[in-house]
Amino acid sequence: QQQVKQSPQSLIVQKGGISIINCAYENTAFDYFPWYQQFPGKGPALLIAIRPDVSEKKEGRFTISFNKSAKQFSLHIMDSQPGDSATYFCAAGVTNAGKSTFGDGTTLTVKP
Amino acid sequence: KAGVTQTPRYLIKTRGQQVTLSCSPISGHRSVSWYQQTPGQGLQFLFEYFSETQRNKGNFPGRFSGRQFSNSRSEMNVSTLELGDSALYLCASSFNGAAYEQYFGPGTRLTVT
Repeated sequence: QQQVKQSPQSLIVQKGGISIINCAYENTAFDYFPWYQQFPGKGPALLIAIRPDVSEKKEGRFTISFNKSAKQFSLHIMDSQPGDSATYFCAAGVTNAGKSTFGDGTTLTVKP
Repeated sequence: KAGVTQTPRYLIKTRGQQVTLSCSPISGHRSVSWYQQTPGQGLQFLFEYFSETQRNKGNFPGRFSGRQFSNSRSEMNVSTLELGDSALYLCASSFNGAAYEQYFGPGTRLTVT
């Protein structure tokens, strides 16, 4: 069964700190790994994505680190802000398959 | 460019009834995927339509069905509603089904009583 395991379930970080969310996958056929941010009452919004031929991708304060051999990837949020407080989902999928397998989500709270 | 729109945003139905949800993708997008989001099960893939054909299907009973029209708009139907069908139903569109380019709508909150 295709699974993506995400941890931690919840995370509390002080403003200006680094938030780190980890995910692990099983299916080696996955070839793209997106992260989504979801605010209450909204649909998930694509934040950043990476392919397995790249070990790291950075966009602003958000960085994905990817370890293909360990089948793990993580999201780092630098200089975390209260506005970053949301639920974050990692996902994995196969290009052009039209579906993503999601992790269970991490609720991030950034305290001012 | 307008985003993905879903109607209605909220819906209350009774057990045994059926419901139809609608999704209008981003202009030019040909793939529409549907997901069910619940606190207990998280985000689960229902099915994907591309150019009016169902291309992928998740592990949901046959009570869940969908279709896509020539203008890429999609509908999802749930028949014989059960209490456990209460969820946020999300649709996501992409140009060609490349899931890393999926853009989600705000969802339809379905409550079954």
